[in-house]
Amino acid sequence: NAGVMQNPRHLVRRRGQEARLRCSPMKGHSHVYWYRQLPEEGLKFMVYLQKENIIDESGMPKERFSAEFPKEGPSILRIQQVVRGDSAAYFCASSQNQRGTEAFFGQGTRLTVV
Amino acid sequence: QKEVEQDPGPLSVPEGAIVSLNCTYSNSAFQYFMWYRQYSRKGPELLMYTYSSGNKEDGRFTAQVDKSSKYISLFIRDSQPSDSATYLCAMTLIQGAQKLVFGQGTRLTINP
Repeated sequence: NAGVMQNPRHLVRRRGQEARLRCSPMKGHSHVYWYRQLPEEGLKFMVYLQKENIIDESGMPKERFSAEFPKEGPSILRIQQVVRGDSAAYFCASSQNQRGTEAFFGQGTRLTVV
Repeated sequence: QKEVEQDPGPLSVPEGAIVSLNCTYSNSAFQYFMWYRQYSRKGPELLMYTYSSGNKEDGRFTAQVDKSSKYISLFIRDSQPSDSATYLCAMTLIQGAQKLVFGQGTRLTINP
């Protein structure tokens, strides 16, 4: 049973481009959480999704960021018109039920904006 | 003021030492407290999970929660070089809550 799979592991984007980060949850998991980790900081909650629904996006920046978790396929975190401050590690976690405390984390995608 | 404060270190100790890692928090409503270990360039993995005040032991690891002081600790006995990692505390309001609030992590190195 593969763990939470995130790709790409590393992503370099120029300022103004779009970044798409993908997260495939563990088999049987239908709940996905995205966190952002800035350098030398802890993880900050961004969004919680169930299949086809955004449940809590209280940690998402109001502009340029969006997330989806379609019926088929991975969850996508999309960042439009990236800026240098978006450079961070983005972690996805998944759980079988709506207990974020029981979620397993992926390896993360490290986004660098140049 | 951050909701959860954690000394970022770095902390360097010799192999076999007892390590104490700590977090303080400001929100007295937090009920569930977790410690995660994160190796370099990897995702966090859950080490310990404690509800309310008290102690919990798992092998060489002991987690303590003092809600009256809003202070939690993780102790590592007989520390090994393989324990070298960043340790993150996290907490949440209710069991099964979706949103975790993390400290910034303490970088720990165990020297052989």
